[in-house]
Amino acid sequence: GAVVSQHPSRVICKSGTSVKIECRSLDFQATTMFWYRQFPKQSLMLMATSNEGSKATYEQGVEKDKFLINHASLTLSTLTVTSAHPEDSSFYICSAGKGPSYEQYFGPGTRLTVT
Amino acid sequence: AQKVTQAQTEISVVEKEDVTLDCVYETRDTTYYLFWYKQPPSGELVFLIRRNSFDEQNEISGRYSWNFQKSTSSFNFTITASQVVDSAVYFCALSDPGEYSGAGSYQLTFGKGTKLSVIP
Repeated sequence: GAVVSQHPSRVICKSGTSVKIECRSLDFQATTMFWYRQFPKQSLMLMATSNEGSKATYEQGVEKDKFLINHASLTLSTLTVTSAHPEDSSFYICSAGKGPSYEQYFGPGTRLTVT
Repeated sequence: AQKVTQAQTEISVVEKEDVTLDCVYETRDTTYYLFWYKQPPSGELVFLIRRNSFDEQNEISGRYSWNFQKSTSSFNFTITASQVVDSAVYFCALSDPGEYSGAGSYQLTFGKGTKLSVIP
């Protein structure tokens, strides 16, 4: 149990366009979803935390107008990178938790390349 | 504030050698969980172990073992008889309530990771 999927696994988009990444909890209800970004050879950096039905809480330095997060249901959260630029190219990972909980279940990640 | 330190950035060992990956953490909470994850080149995080703050028993799973010592705030990971397939980046992480008081899940604080290369 506790499987999290992400779609797409890889995406290439042109500079200036927007791209949406989906994160789904397949066999449980996720009260909380987290979005991370990971640059090459670096650790995971938390971007934002979202609880179902509430606005996402963004970490310091993360632009909420650029990285739109929607957690509309207990099984789906989306991250939309708006007006993407090459510096947004990164590995994006989501995780989900059955709250309150100490544990998170991770999706397989989405590799975004902006050309 | 929560903090996880993995002092070893990269380690190289020859196949069949034992290797220990270090993890030191900081937290003000008395209840917390510690985790180890493996991240192979594919990128997907693979869960290895979860340990809560009240359970200091060491754990062994096949070639993997973990040593949790609250007195030194350490949660070290040892791979015995390493294999090429063990080559990956390993992350230690801490989950504690911190200042959060809501009904959702707690944030994870990750270490910077240790890249392990096992040479055939």
